[in-house]
Amino acid sequence: SQLAEENSWALSVHEGESVTVNCSYKTSITALQWYRQKSGKGPAQLILIRSNEREKRNGRLRATLDTSSQSSSLSITATRCEDTAVYFCATVTGNTGKLIFGLGTTLQVQP
Amino acid sequence: AQTIHQWPVAEIKAVGSPLSLGCTIKGKSSPNLYWYWQATGGTLQQLFYSITVGQVESVVQLNLSASRPKDDQFILSTEKLLLSHSGFYLCAWSWGDQDTQYFGPGTRLLVL
Repeated sequence: SQLAEENSWALSVHEGESVTVNCSYKTSITALQWYRQKSGKGPAQLILIRSNEREKRNGRLRATLDTSSQSSSLSITATRCEDTAVYFCATVTGNTGKLIFGLGTTLQVQP
Repeated sequence: AQTIHQWPVAEIKAVGSPLSLGCTIKGKSSPNLYWYWQATGGTLQQLFYSITVGQVESVVQLNLSASRPKDDQFILSTEKLLLSHSGFYLCAWSWGDQDTQYFGPGTRLLVL
C-alpha cells in the first residue's frame, strides 16, 4: 500500500530561522498536499502541489515536488512561534479523494 | 463562506456502548465528505468518503459505519465501541476528488 512519510520526527528552530520538512512516498501520485495541525485542532492545508508542478509558494512557505525521486519538501522562512505545529504531507492518487497522510513532523519554534 | 461543524465536541463512552458522531457543512452544496480517525500523537487515517447523498465508500474497516442522510450531513456510528476506537475523529469536505480538504474541529472520543 502507498505510504507517505516525513523524514524527521521532530525539529526545533528559533524564531526567524528557516526550516525544511521532507517527505517521501512510495507510488505514483496525482498531487501532494502539505497540512499543518496545531494542538487540539483539525489540520489546515498549506499547499497543494500537483504532479506536473515542481514548486509552489504560499507566503513564507515553499513546497517542492520531485516525482522522479518521489519526494517533496516544505520550507518555511522567517519562522514564528505560531508556526509551532505538526506538519503532514499527504498524497493524492486517482480520483477518489483518498489522502494518505504521513506520520507527521513536529516543529517547535522557540522565541 | 463554508463552515463545518462537528458534534459532540468530546465524548467518554463505555466499551460495548453505541456511538454516533455528526458533521454538518453549511454554505456548500454537494460537497465531497470524509471521515478521518487520528490516534493520540498519530497520523490521520481516512475511514470513509462520500460524493453524494446516500452513497458512502469505506476506506478502512474499523468496525464503524458511515451514512450521508442529507447533502450537508455525514454521520459516523457503531453499535458497539471498542477500546481501540478512542481517538480524534475529524470530518472534512472538498470541492472535488483531488482538491483541498477542509477539516472540522473534530470530536475527541475516549472509550473506557
